Amino acid sequence: EAEVAQSPRYKITEKSQAVAFWCDPISGHATLYWYRQILGQGPELLVQFQDESVVDDSQLPKDRFSAERLKGVDSTLKIQPAELGDSAMYLCASRPAGPSNIQYFGAGTRLSVL
Amino acid sequence: GENVEQHPSTLSVQEGDSAVIKCTYSDSASNYFPWYKQELGKRPQLIIDIRSNVGEKKDQRIAVTLNKTAKHFSLHITETQPEDSAVYFCAASTPPNSGYALNFGKGTSLLVTP
Repeated sequence: EAEVAQSPRYKITEKSQAVAFWCDPISGHATLYWYRQILGQGPELLVQFQDESVVDDSQLPKDRFSAERLKGVDSTLKIQPAELGDSAMYLCASRPAGPSNIQYFGAGTRLSVL
Repeated sequence: GENVEQHPSTLSVQEGDSAVIKCTYSDSASNYFPWYKQELGKRPQLIIDIRSNVGEKKDQRIAVTLNKTAKHFSLHITETQPEDSAVYFCAASTPPNSGYALNFGKGTSLLVTP
């Protein structure tokens, strides 16, 4: 069964450093989402892509976060500079084209900022 | 925007008993309500979902009910087993103009004791 791939699984960095996370959605899925999940809470949307275009980045802290999906396939989420409060799980999800609402999640990248 | 409240935050039941988790949502335009199960260190997995044109849906030991008027929906797990122990998240999604992004509750940690 196809799955959303994310790397790395774990990342430890010091504050003020730059970090990047990668996501490869299920083949053919046009919509890609990045969520942030703080420990003990539900995921919160950061950014949504439809193909290579950003649909919603209203919750993305644009002073330090950026996201791209250049060819409409895989995506990268970057944080620069990282802050202590960015420690969280970063989840990527994808949804197929058409009327299906189902989102399939990757295993996530757990970020620890020291 | 949409606000999803989930209760209880923790739930402990004996094996074989039923478990019920309740969620409320604020946006009457929301029309898709999935439930995800997340085991420790693993990706959220969709276990059941319901659309706003349906009042109830069942899949073996799992059922979801939706009351659109009251804007609440519930997850029912019958004959619970230890492997049901996990964190469960409800979510609500609004129509296409929001890109079907999911607004999650804060999660319920379910413990099923043998």
